[in-house]
Amino acid sequence: NAGVTQTPKFRILKIGQSMTLQCTQDMNHNYMYWYRQDPGMGLKLIYYSVGAGITDKGEVPNGYNVSRSTTEDFPLRLELAAPSQTSVYFCASSQIGQGRNTIYFGEGSWLTVV
Amino acid sequence: AQSVTQLDSQVPVFEEAPVELRCNYSSSVSVYLFWYVQYPNQGLQLLLKYLSGSTLVKGINGFEAEFNKSQTSFHLRKPSVHISDTAEYFCAVSRDDKIIFGKGTRLHILP
Repeated sequence: NAGVTQTPKFRILKIGQSMTLQCTQDMNHNYMYWYRQDPGMGLKLIYYSVGAGITDKGEVPNGYNVSRSTTEDFPLRLELAAPSQTSVYFCASSQIGQGRNTIYFGEGSWLTVV
Repeated sequence: AQSVTQLDSQVPVFEEAPVELRCNYSSSVSVYLFWYVQYPNQGLQLLLKYLSGSTLVKGINGFEAEFNKSQTSFHLRKPSVHISDTAEYFCAVSRDDKIIFGKGTRLHILP
């Protein structure tokens, strides 16, 4: 039962470097999401996608980019990493929309920018 | 606009004691309500959800929540907690395709 798989689990970046967080799901879900979680702040939506080829901004999209070329994959790209992007990142997916259906989360990626 | 307020950032409770984690929401329309649990160093997983029907919802691991429309609340309860319930709990409200998470309540189980 793979579910939502994201890599890497841990990464340290230097300021100004770029990287991609990979996310794949094997449940054939049409919706996928990227969240960041900071201590005491809950979850903030970065980007989401309602299907292959379609992406949209969430609450905190600045400094990030996404693509959705297939149903399964939804990578998150950080360009020019900044200390403010130090956070835990979660990829998630759901069957239709968040309104009624359960969201399935990956196990998280811990990113530190130094 | 919808919003979710979790009134306690941390709740300490002795093992085998009951616990209630509070959640209030604001919305001018009907919404769906969720509780998610996050165990240390893991992602969130669904604990229970209210979509319609009975206002008392039972979830996994002995948790339950009651939807109270007049008080716009969806408090989470468990009659007897175990050390394995140590986690962070998130209330969430959803309408259409948007979901809003609360800031979380960290449950500390004291021996």
